[in-house]
Amino acid sequence: DAEITQSPRHKITETGRQVTLACHQTWNHNNMFWYRQDLGHGLRLIHYSYGVQDTNKGEVSDGYSVSRSNTEDLPLTLESAASSQTSVYFCASSDLTSGRTDTQYFGPGTRLTVL
Amino acid sequence: EDQVTQSPEALRLQEGESSSLNCSYTVSGLRGLFWYRQDPGKGPEFLFTLYSAGEEKEKERLKATLTKKESFLHITAPKPEDSATYLCAVFNDYKLSFGAGTTVTVRA
Repeated sequence: DAEITQSPRHKITETGRQVTLACHQTWNHNNMFWYRQDLGHGLRLIHYSYGVQDTNKGEVSDGYSVSRSNTEDLPLTLESAASSQTSVYFCASSDLTSGRTDTQYFGPGTRLTVL
Repeated sequence: EDQVTQSPEALRLQEGESSSLNCSYTVSGLRGLFWYRQDPGKGPEFLFTLYSAGEEKEKERLKATLTKKESFLHITAPKPEDSATYLCAVFNDYKLSFGAGTTVTVRA
């Protein structure tokens, strides 16, 4: 079955370190998204991509970067981790080309703690 | 700016006690309203998409409805396995904007 996976599921790091979170989908979806989820804020969009070599900033992109070199993967990099980036991170994918439905399917999440 | 507000924040129900969750939104050019279910420690799981006022969709004990300003998720005769956080989101242009969610607890 097609799926979307994230790794690691849990990560503890120190302030100032570079961290990369992996996201891999086998749906063959064009579109991929990264969100963070914090208590009281709901899910907020960090970055998104509509295809290979395409990346765009979301509403909370400062301190994060992404690159899309193939259809399946969209890694999220924290350039210099800060305590404010302690959160649960979710990757999602969708296929706009399927028509009016733009359902996003989510991965299981990565819990990141920055000490 | 798109705004999505869900109420109540938390809902405690007895098994079999039907209730409704509210999602009110302000968005220019709604292209879809989504409901997701999220269990603790897991990613959101897609439930429904609604596109226009008057539209309704059902799945087991859940029924979602849509008006021009809000959506309701009705839970009929809930069971303990319906306990979860229910998220509402609106799709506009390029992104989903999520509400903070309603956490539903169903006691046996």
